[in-house]
Amino acid sequence: RKEVEQDPGPFNVPEGATVAFNCTYSNSASQSFFWYRQDCRKEPKLLMSVYSSGNEDGRFTAQLNRASQYISLLIRDSKLSDSATYLCVVNGRNEKLTFGTGTRLTIIP
Amino acid sequence: NAGVTQTPKFQVLKTGQSMTLQCAQDMNHNSMYWYRQDPGMGLRLIYYSASEGTTDKGEVPNGYNVSRLNKREFSLRLESAAPSQTSVYFCASSAEIRGAGYGYTFGSGTRLTVV
Repeated sequence: RKEVEQDPGPFNVPEGATVAFNCTYSNSASQSFFWYRQDCRKEPKLLMSVYSSGNEDGRFTAQLNRASQYISLLIRDSKLSDSATYLCVVNGRNEKLTFGTGTRLTIIP
Repeated sequence: NAGVTQTPKFQVLKTGQSMTLQCAQDMNHNSMYWYRQDPGMGLRLIYYSASEGTTDKGEVPNGYNVSRLNKREFSLRLESAAPSQTSVYFCASSAEIRGAGYGYTFGSGTRLTVV
C-alpha cells in the first residue's frame, strides 16, 4: 500500500463549479499535512497546510480526519487558473515529506 | 529573492556519461533534498541532507551521489548515466511552518534525458 494515495483524475470541471479531492495516508503517526499545487512543467508550490480543525484560504478549504486518515481539499467557484495537479503531502516525525502522485484538475470554460 | 536555484534547466546525456546537478538556496535552511519525478510515480526522494556535512539515502539512491558543500549548496552527481535516470529532478530546502510542521521550497527543476 502506498503511503499517500490520491485519485489521479483527471477531473474536468466547469468554471464556477465546486470540486473536492480526497487523499488517504497509511502512517497513523503522521503529524503534518499539506496540499501542494504543481502547474504543468513547473515545480510544486505550497498551497496550504492542513490542520485538524480545518482551515480555509479564500476559495480553498482543507480538512483532516485523523481517525479515518484522510485529507480533503475543496475548491469553490473554480477559476480557469485553478487548472493544475494537486499533490497531497504528509510527513512524520522528521522533516521528510511523502508526496502523493497528484490529482489532475482541468477547469473548462 | 532567489529561493532555490537549480542548474542546468535542461540536459541531454549519452549513456555512461557523468554530470553534476547544482542546487543552491539563500534562505538559510538547514535541510535540503533531491527528488526525481516520473509520470505516474510522483516525487521520490533520492538523497537528503539534514545539515551541513551530513547526507542520507532516500527511497531511490542507486546510481547517484550527493555532496553538501556548505549550508547553501547541495549537488547531485550521476557517475554513469543510464536511460532509467531520464526524469525531472527537483532540489528543495525546508523550513518550519509555525504550527504546521516543515514546508518545502522547490527549485524550478532539471529535465534530464539520457539517450
